[in-house]
Amino acid sequence: GAGVSQSPSNKVTEKGKDVELRCDPISGHTALYWYRQSLGQGLEFLIYFQGNSAPDKSGLPSDRFSAERTGGSVSTLTIQRTQQEDSAVYLCASSLGLGITSSGETQYFGPGTRLLVL
Amino acid sequence: LAKTTQPISMDSYEGQEVNITCSHNNIATNDYITWYQQFPSQGPRFIIQGYKTKVTNEVASLFIPADRKSSTLSLPRVSLSDTAVYYCLVGYPNDYKLSFGAGTTVTVRA
Repeated sequence: GAGVSQSPSNKVTEKGKDVELRCDPISGHTALYWYRQSLGQGLEFLIYFQGNSAPDKSGLPSDRFSAERTGGSVSTLTIQRTQQEDSAVYLCASSLGLGITSSGETQYFGPGTRLLVL
Repeated sequence: LAKTTQPISMDSYEGQEVNITCSHNNIATNDYITWYQQFPSQGPRFIIQGYKTKVTNEVASLFIPADRKSSTLSLPRVSLSDTAVYYCLVGYPNDYKLSFGAGTTVTVRA
C-alpha cells in the first residue's frame, strides 16, 4: 500500500503567520509521530499519538505548537505565530502501534515538510 | 531524557566494511535496538533491528553484546550510494520521547 505522505512538501511563510502541516499515515497504523529536523541536525521528537490521543505533549517546543489527530488517521501539526527559528524539516512517521516504550516498532517516515519562515 | 551516543562521522572507501557503534547504557529489558538510514532530503528508512546477539539481513548486520549496553551496525562492502546519516534508536522505560542518536554521517569515497 501507500507509504506515509505529508503535505505540503515545501512551505514558505512570513514571520508571525500560522502554518498547518498535514500527515497521512499508513493505513492501519495506530501510532503516529512528529519530529523536527533542523539543518544538519538529528531528529527532535515532538509528539506521539496512539489513536487520537497524545499521552505526552511535553516535546512540543512551545505553546505555539499544537497537534491533533482525528479518526485515528490524519494528523495536523499547527504552528502559530511562526518564528524564524521554526524553520526546519518536519517529519511524520507511523507504526503499527504496539507500544511506545519498546522500539520493536518499525517507524515508517514520510518525506517531510520543509518549512522556511522569512 | 535518555540518550544514545554514536560517532559524529566516519569516512570509508568503496568495498570496505563500515562499523558504527552506538552506546545505550540505560537500555530497558524489553527494548529493541533499531537502526535507520537517512539520505539528504528524505525521511529516515529502516535498516535493521535486533534484541541480542547478531542479526543479519540483505543490507547489514547488527551485533549486540550480552550486556546490551552498546550495539554495532556493520555495513559490508560499502558503495558510494551508502553515503548517508545512520541513526541508532532505542526505547527507554516510561519515556515516550524515543531517543534517536545524533546520527553518524558516513561518507564513502571512490
